[in-house]
Amino acid sequence: GENVEQHPSTLSVQEGDSAVIKCTYSDSASNYFPWYKQELGKGPQLIIDIRSNVGEKKDQRIAVTLNKTAKHFSLHITETQPEDSAVYFCAASSSNFGNEKLTFGTGTRLTIIP
Amino acid sequence: GAVVSQHPSWVICKSGTSVKIECRSLDFQATTMFWYRQFPKQSLMLMATSNEGSKATYEQGVEKDKFLINHASLTLSTLTVTSAHPEDSSFYICSAQHTNYGYTFGSGTRLTVV
Repeated sequence: GENVEQHPSTLSVQEGDSAVIKCTYSDSASNYFPWYKQELGKGPQLIIDIRSNVGEKKDQRIAVTLNKTAKHFSLHITETQPEDSAVYFCAASSSNFGNEKLTFGTGTRLTIIP
Repeated sequence: GAVVSQHPSWVICKSGTSVKIECRSLDFQATTMFWYRQFPKQSLMLMATSNEGSKATYEQGVEKDKFLINHASLTLSTLTVTSAHPEDSSFYICSAQHTNYGYTFGSGTRLTVV
């Protein structure tokens, strides 16, 4: 089955600086890579996703890059703000939105230092 | 966008009793729903995949007789923790899958067994 590794497990960044979180996956059949933000006591919230036919996607301060050859994808947050502090999870799926399950990374606790 | 409602948000029950958690897709039909368990400072662990009108598929190591899943309609799936014990205390999260919206998560249920 799929295995997703995520690094770092914790990350502290000065407000205004950029944060980068990296994930690798093992199953070459995976084609959907979402990123979730989870705040304490809440469910994960999708912040951005990318499919395997695209190398990069950007949404305001958030971007995701995908390298299918190397089987890794990264989340980039620019101009970080205190409200970006949360736990971030990457995930992978061989999804055509049928019955495929998501496999999650281990999470990164991001702390933005004011 | 897609909204998934999960109730209750928290529940405390006595050891030996059963607890039911509901997961509803409010504005879309979800043929597939997923149930996760999350322990403190850990990632989401998939418990089972639930398809409308059929039996759930449980992940290895998850007791199907203890964690009963019912997916009777395209908008509702329930997880019942039977004969709960303190070690079942955890954060339970559901997710619904939609062709256009991907995977949408509920807000989670904090179960405490005393």
